[in-house]
Amino acid sequence: DAKTTQPPSMDCAEGRAANLPCNHSTISGNEYVYWYRQIHSQGPQYIIHGLKNNETNEMASLIITEDRKSSTLILPHATLRDTAVYYCIANDYKLSFGAGTTVTVRA
Amino acid sequence: DSGVTQTPKHLITATGQRVTLRCSPRSGDLSVYWYQQSLDQGLQFLIQYYNGEERAKGNILERFSAQQFPDLHSELNLSSLELGDSALYFCASSLAGDPYNEQFFGPGTRLTVL
Repeated sequence: DAKTTQPPSMDCAEGRAANLPCNHSTISGNEYVYWYRQIHSQGPQYIIHGLKNNETNEMASLIITEDRKSSTLILPHATLRDTAVYYCIANDYKLSFGAGTTVTVRA
Repeated sequence: DSGVTQTPKHLITATGQRVTLRCSPRSGDLSVYWYQQSLDQGLQFLIQYYNGEERAKGNILERFSAQQFPDLHSELNLSSLELGDSALYFCASSLAGDPYNEQFFGPGTRLTVL
């Protein structure tokens, strides 16, 4: 399993883009980058995943560097409901959650 | 609502006891995953079943076991419970066991061992 490093916390203003960095320098060729989030003690919620190319869906965009050693999750217009712990995972389906980044969106 | 259901929501029991947690995956999903989330260990993968067969094992203790039934629901059995087993237990499901499929998590079962 590739180890991931994320900042422990970050604040974001409502309506602004939130850029969440993740370092996964030991990622192997067959490991995907996944992003999940967890609001309070609810079950984690899938956001997005990718292997090499940048990805976008209705929730977020994922930018993966060419060497795949790091990535950035972009929430384009953060809302108060986006306040959560965001987990970056570099793995196969045996998801290994680290400490994540606690994102607080402020009005 | 992810479509994954877990019962019970809360469970309080004593040390040394045995409990069974139940999970019903989303309709059509063949894979079921179990995770444990405790305050000191974070969210850890325990075990995965795919279409009734064990597919992958993580940090699952020998006192814990799981199975997936023909109707695809799954049960996680925890025995000889210890105080340290108190945690949130999540079940997730996905369409197949391939790495690229997103997992849908249930609401969890909160287990308290007294």
